[in-house]
Amino acid sequence: QVQLVQSGAEVKKPGSSVKVSCKASGGTFSSYAISWVRQAPGQGLEWMGGIIPIFGTANYAQKFQGRVTITTDESTSTAYMELSSLRSEDTAVYYCARGRTADSRSAFDIWGQGTMVTVSS
Amino acid sequence: SYVLTQPPSVSVAPGQTARITCGGNNIGSKSVHWYQQKPGQAPVLVVYDDSDRPSGIPERFSGSNSGNTATLTISRVEAGDEADYYCQVWDSSSDHPVFGTGTKVTVL
Repeated sequence: QVQLVQSGAEVKKPGSSVKVSCKASGGTFSSYAISWVRQAPGQGLEWMGGIIPIFGTANYAQKFQGRVTITTDESTSTAYMELSSLRSEDTAVYYCARGRTADSRSAFDIWGQGTMVTVSS
Repeated sequence: SYVLTQPPSVSVAPGQTARITCGGNNIGSKSVHWYQQKPGQAPVLVVYDDSDRPSGIPERFSGSNSGNTATLTISRVEAGDEADYYCQVWDSSSDHPVFGTGTKVTVL
């Protein structure tokens, strides 16, 4: 059974960048889409972008275009999400999630435990 | 972009049935997925492709989808079902997933 383990909590200054990792273990990594979803305190789920490791091309939500970069390292079965020009509104829990099937439109059946990113001066 | 609307809250007594709606323009033409999220935890997929359940999800969770409304039904509600529930579809016009606004289910 695949598990996704994310890196630990981060505290960042406004204007800086953060890079969160998501390591897959126990199953296939390259053929399934990995998405990043964030959740601000007390708010709903918001998709940021996704990537299929075997293809390597990421797809981003328009809201984050130019600020987010999603990459993968197939040798370590790890996905990364880097968000730049951080502002206080980026304070949130960031989740990685894997699609159920190789179809990027499929439901997210495996989620990481979440990484809290706090942006504060 | 595509908008999914859910009621903010639903209250239900133990043993009764909870129905959570997800409204969207012609949502019946899309595949709808549902997630359960308990406080401090990551979301868990409870229904996918309108009405299928992942292994380990009780049969009490079921889904339907037609017209402009998809529905997640929780039968014989238990205290452990208290959580936030989110619907999600793939928006083909923007080529990305969209989540509903979320519904907090309270077990009385």
